[in-house]
Formats: sequence, structure tokens, C-alpha cells
Amino acid sequence: GENVEQHPSTLSVQEGDSAVIKCTYSDSASNYFPWYKQELGKRPQLIIDIRSNVGEKKDQRIAVTLNKTAKHFSLHITETQPEDSAVYFCAASLKNNDMRFGAGTRLTVKP
Amino acid sequence: DTAVSQTPKYLVTQMGNDKSIKCEQNLGHDTMYWYKQDSKKFLKIMFSYNNKELIINETVPNRFSPKSPDKAHLNLHINSLELGDSAVYFCASSFRQGVPYEQYFGPGTRLTVT
Repeated sequence: GENVEQHPSTLSVQEGDSAVIKCTYSDSASNYFPWYKQELGKRPQLIIDIRSNVGEKKDQRIAVTLNKTAKHFSLHITETQPEDSAVYFCAASLKNNDMRFGAGTRLTVKP
Repeated sequence: DTAVSQTPKYLVTQMGNDKSIKCEQNLGHDTMYWYKQDSKKFLKIMFSYNNKELIINETVPNRFSPKSPDKAHLNLHINSLELGDSAVYFCASSFRQGVPYEQYFGPGTRLTVT
């Protein structure tokens, strides 16, 4: 089955700096890669996603890149703000929407 | 209107008891899921149903039994609760039409077994 690894497990940045979270996946049949943000005590919520026919996608301060050959994908947050502090999960999904999550990255943005 | 709802939000019970968690979605999705999130925040899929049919059944003890009376509801029944069952359980739903789509999560049910 699919195995998703995520790094780093914790990340602390100064407000205004950029943050990068990286994931790798094992199953080359995976074709959908969402990123979820989970604030303390809340549900995971989608912030951006990318499909395997696209190499990069951007939405304001958030961007995701995908390297299908290397089976890597990354989340980039620019101009970080304290409200970006949360746990971020990457995931990889097969065609049947069998979604496997990475272990999560706890991002702390210091004001 | 709440898209994916779960009841109860909190559940505190003793070892050996049987309990149920209910989930409902009003998004018209055809696939629903149960995830377990442990104390280390790891999100692990347990079950997935598509139009009341079980399609994913991970290595979960058979004390856990999902039931889907219709495509808008997916309930989770747990028998003989153990300390290790303490976690947050999330229900989710999505479309499933040949390609994967975003999964919408419920608010979670925090289960504490004492």
C-alpha cells in the first residue's frame, strides 16, 4: 500500500520568513496530493491540492510542487504569519480515494 | 449548515464498555470514511464506504464495526473498549467519481477510555 513520509516533524520560523514542508510517497499510482491544516482542537481542512498532471500550483502565499519522477511533493508558505501556526499534513491518494497521510508537521510562527 | 457532523463530541467511558459514534454529511457525497488520530496526531484511515458498500477496511480490530444505513450516514460501533482506543475519531466524506477528491472532515469525537 501507499506510504507517505513527511519532514520535518516540527518547524519553527520567524514571522515573515518562508516555511517548507516536504513529503515523499511510495506508490507511483498515486495521483492526488492534498495538504491539510489542522489548528489545535479543530478538524483538518484542505489548504491546497495538486494532481499528478501538474507540477506546481500556487494560491496567494501557499504553493505546492510535485516531482512525479522522484515521488516528492512540497508545501511552501511565504511571508508566514502567526495564524499559520498549526499542524500540516500531506497526503497521497490513489484513484479510489484511498488517502494516506504523512505524520504531520507542527509549524510555529514566532511574532 | 454543518457539512459533516459527528455525535457525540466527547465520549468518556470505562474499559469493557460498548459505544457508538454517529456521522452524517449533507454534501451529497457518496463516500465516507473513519479516521483515528492518536496522541501523536497521526491520522490513520480505518474504514471507507461508498454508497453503503465497504471499500477500505484497514487492519482494525474486529471490535470496531462500521455501519452505513444510507450514503449520508456512517456510524462506528466499538465493542469491549480498551485503553488504547483512546483517541480522536474523525469522520470524513468526499465525492468518488473515478478520480480522488478533497475529503471534508467532521469536528471529531474525542474518546477517552478509563
